[in-house]
Amino acid sequence: GDSVTQMEGPVTLSEEAFLTINCTYTATGYPSLFWYVQYPGEGLQLLLKATKADDKGSNKGFEATYRKETTSFHLEKGSVQVSDSAVYFCALIAGGSQGNLIFGKGTKLSVKP
Amino acid sequence: DSGVTQTPKHLITATGQRVTLRCSPRSGDLSVYWYQQSLDQGLQFLIQYYNGEERAKGNILERFSAQQFPDLHSELNLSSLELGDSALYFCASSVVAGSGNTIYFGEGSWLTVV
Repeated sequence: GDSVTQMEGPVTLSEEAFLTINCTYTATGYPSLFWYVQYPGEGLQLLLKATKADDKGSNKGFEATYRKETTSFHLEKGSVQVSDSAVYFCALIAGGSQGNLIFGKGTKLSVKP
Repeated sequence: DSGVTQTPKHLITATGQRVTLRCSPRSGDLSVYWYQQSLDQGLQFLIQYYNGEERAKGNILERFSAQQFPDLHSELNLSSLELGDSALYFCASSVVAGSGNTIYFGEGSWLTVV
């Protein structure tokens, strides 16, 4: 079945470090891909999305490129801040589905000053 | 603020009891989803409604049920509660159903079963 695999956390970085969180997927058809973020004590917020191969989603300095050949959607940020500390979820909506999201297990990021 | 409203934000109840979680989708959204987030299971899709009709079912227990009303708000009913049902329950909504969607989440309802 359709699934998302994320790198295990937690990830601890110093402020201004480069961030990569790996995400790969298995899906039938052509899925749409998403990154959601959950700040401590809060709900899920959409961070960015990409709906077709080679699309790049970007928001708040974060970027991810939809790579069909490697079935990946890795999240990157050039310089993280303490305020980026959160749990990041990679997710997909399978092509031809009713539209429900399938999530990875989440990666906790802690950024130290 | 995503525009998806969930009530209550926190709920503590005893085993064996029944609770109802309520969700108002974003204005104009026809599709409503329910998810459960727990430490051991992660984020699990429970059920989806579109314009009042059930569209997809995930890992929803038989003790749980949901519905979407004509005004498009939705309720998730959890009965015969067990300790393991303690979790954060999210409602989400989107304009339509289908793979081209963007889905927006509410802030969740924290359920603690004691």
